[in-house]
Amino acid sequence: GQNIDQPTEMTATEGAIVQINCTYQTSGFNGLFWYQQHAGEAPTFLSYNVLDGLEEKGRFSSFLSRSKGYSYLLLKELQMKDSASYLCAVVDSNYQLIWGAGTKLIIKP
Amino acid sequence: GAVVSQHPSRVICKSGTSVKIECRSLDFQATTMFWYRQFPKQSLMLMATSNEGSKATYEQGVEKDKFLINHASLTLSTLTVTSAHPEDSSFYICSARDGDSQLNEQFFGPGTRLTVL
Repeated sequence: GQNIDQPTEMTATEGAIVQINCTYQTSGFNGLFWYQQHAGEAPTFLSYNVLDGLEEKGRFSSFLSRSKGYSYLLLKELQMKDSASYLCAVVDSNYQLIWGAGTKLIIKP
Repeated sequence: GAVVSQHPSRVICKSGTSVKIECRSLDFQATTMFWYRQFPKQSLMLMATSNEGSKATYEQGVEKDKFLINHASLTLSTLTVTSAHPEDSSFYICSARDGDSQLNEQFFGPGTRLTVL
């Protein structure tokens, strides 16, 4: 079966750095997305990785290791507005998105 | 960036009525649209995938006669919840994939919160 694992909840302090991990076992791989979802809102796109390595975009970076079936989202200089759920999603061999359950990130002052 | 609109954003209805939700891609042609449901504090659950001009593909456990999906054009898909009941109360989100894009990113609508009394 296909499976995406990410921690259910994480807590971090404003101004700090947090890393949210995602491991996957899917039938094929055609890329990995990270989305941010605030409570009561639809998800918004953060990043896309299809090749191994680190993609940096402002305060957010995303890393991928295809051989390990592993990705992480790194958030720097945390702000209170970063409190949200972060969803990892993998594009499988049929080009369907397989979603993780999401990681709820709580930022404390 | 690609924009997807969804209407209505919020609807409250009585049990037994039908509710139609529209999803539109505003600045691109969406060859494929997806309908998700999300219960409080839970992740997205894919209900169905619809391709323009063909019947929707429903996920296991989703009643196709209850959740009618129509994808009549490259910019519009509709989800009709027929004979809605309180257990259908949820956050319904559509997303669309740009047919001209090499990327498989899904662009999400803002969601529709359905409350069935």
